[in-house]
Amino acid sequence: DTEVTQTPKHLVMGMTNKKSLKCEQHMGHRAMYWYKQKAKKPPELMFVYSYEKLSINESVPSRFSPECPNSSLLNLHLHALQPEDSALYLCASSQLGPTNYGYTFGSGTRLTVV
Amino acid sequence: AQSVSQHNHHVILSEAASLELGCNYSYGGTVNLFWYVQYPGQHLQLLLKYFSGDPLVKGIKGFEAEFIKSKFSFNLRKPSVQWSDTAEYFCAVNMNTGFQKLVFGTGTRLLVSP
Repeated sequence: DTEVTQTPKHLVMGMTNKKSLKCEQHMGHRAMYWYKQKAKKPPELMFVYSYEKLSINESVPSRFSPECPNSSLLNLHLHALQPEDSALYLCASSQLGPTNYGYTFGSGTRLTVV
Repeated sequence: AQSVSQHNHHVILSEAASLELGCNYSYGGTVNLFWYVQYPGQHLQLLLKYFSGDPLVKGIKGFEAEFIKSKFSFNLRKPSVQWSDTAEYFCAVNMNTGFQKLVFGTGTRLLVSP
């Protein structure tokens, strides 16, 4: 299995809703990432997990809450989002070590906040 | 601050024309370099990557890139583009600061006319 699987593919939520995005990989990668991509913009890093521990938080608002329950799963919990949070949310994974072997990206969850 | 810049935001070519997309980064240490492609409505796909060794890297679909350390550059090339190469191209750099942080350039939108 050489894929990163993200669910759901599309999500529409109201500003008072609570929802979660899920990401799964079975490549044995010990680093997992959340990126946010707005239309016609490059992906922007949100969070990095290394060995299931949060290692980077790029000053993301607390309405986004990541969770890494085990080495294969990564969640992003959403609460009280704003319309400007509408974007494509990408999950990625990679090996860890002195040489980075590259990142594998999922297809993303396209989120619309209404 | 560490950054990645792509000089060409939009490129329009005719089929069979040669392509070169520029990418420069600002970081004096060891880097891992990547080019990703994003076809309309699709997820990021890895075209090629450089970690060490031969600075001329060959990737999928006839693409190649050359790492010139003295110029902090990693330009993408293809001798003859096809209509199916129409996509957004992102250069990305992992600056080995001890953190797994992949920084993307702003992207180049390529349109190939038949």
